[in-house]
Amino acid sequence: NAGVTQTPKFRVLKTGQSMTLLCAQDMNHEYMYWYRQDPGMGLRLIHYSVGEGTTAKGEVPDGYNVSRLKKQNFLLGLESAAPSQTSVYFCASSYGVTLESGANVLTFGAGSRLTVL
Amino acid sequence: GIQVEQSPPDLILQEGANSTLRCNFSDSVNNLQWFHQNPWGQLINLFYIPSGTKQNGRLSATTVATERYSLLYISSSQTTDSGVYFCAVDPFPYTDKLIFGTGTRLQVFP
Repeated sequence: NAGVTQTPKFRVLKTGQSMTLLCAQDMNHEYMYWYRQDPGMGLRLIHYSVGEGTTAKGEVPDGYNVSRLKKQNFLLGLESAAPSQTSVYFCASSYGVTLESGANVLTFGAGSRLTVL
Repeated sequence: GIQVEQSPPDLILQEGANSTLRCNFSDSVNNLQWFHQNPWGQLINLFYIPSGTKQNGRLSATTVATERYSLLYISSSQTTDSGVYFCAVDPFPYTDKLIFGTGTRLQVFP
């Protein structure tokens, strides 16, 4: 009963290094999302996916790439990390809007704290 | 794009007090949700409420879609209510992506 799992939970990078954050969900959700959370700015959507093999840009996509090769996984990549990308990153997944709820109810992972020096 | 603003940004209460958190949004929405982020960072959905009023224990929420705002009421607050409260909207037309507000940080002291 894992839900949404993010790895790693913590990472420190030097400017210019690359890394990948992995999000895995075991709920057979179609939709997956990557958000970043910064103090005083709430959560901002980076990229999202509405199904295996699809990706779309969110509010703040620059400097990030994503891939959804398998339905259960959504990867967030930083090709050349910058100090401005220091943040807490949250992954979420959902079925999309359901007839039952009329809402797109997201399940969130525990977050990944990234520091870029 | 749609703007989502929350007030107040910070709120400090003594246990047992009541509070009202507000969420204003700049355009029509399909739905609105309230989340609580606990001090350990976990985000939990509290309500999805495109219009009207819902109640769950000591929490209730009201959305007036025609006036583009939603209110979250917390009664008889407890220390476990501490954390950050976010509203998030699904902009109209239907887009499949939630846009979050800036949050209200609530601290409840015994």
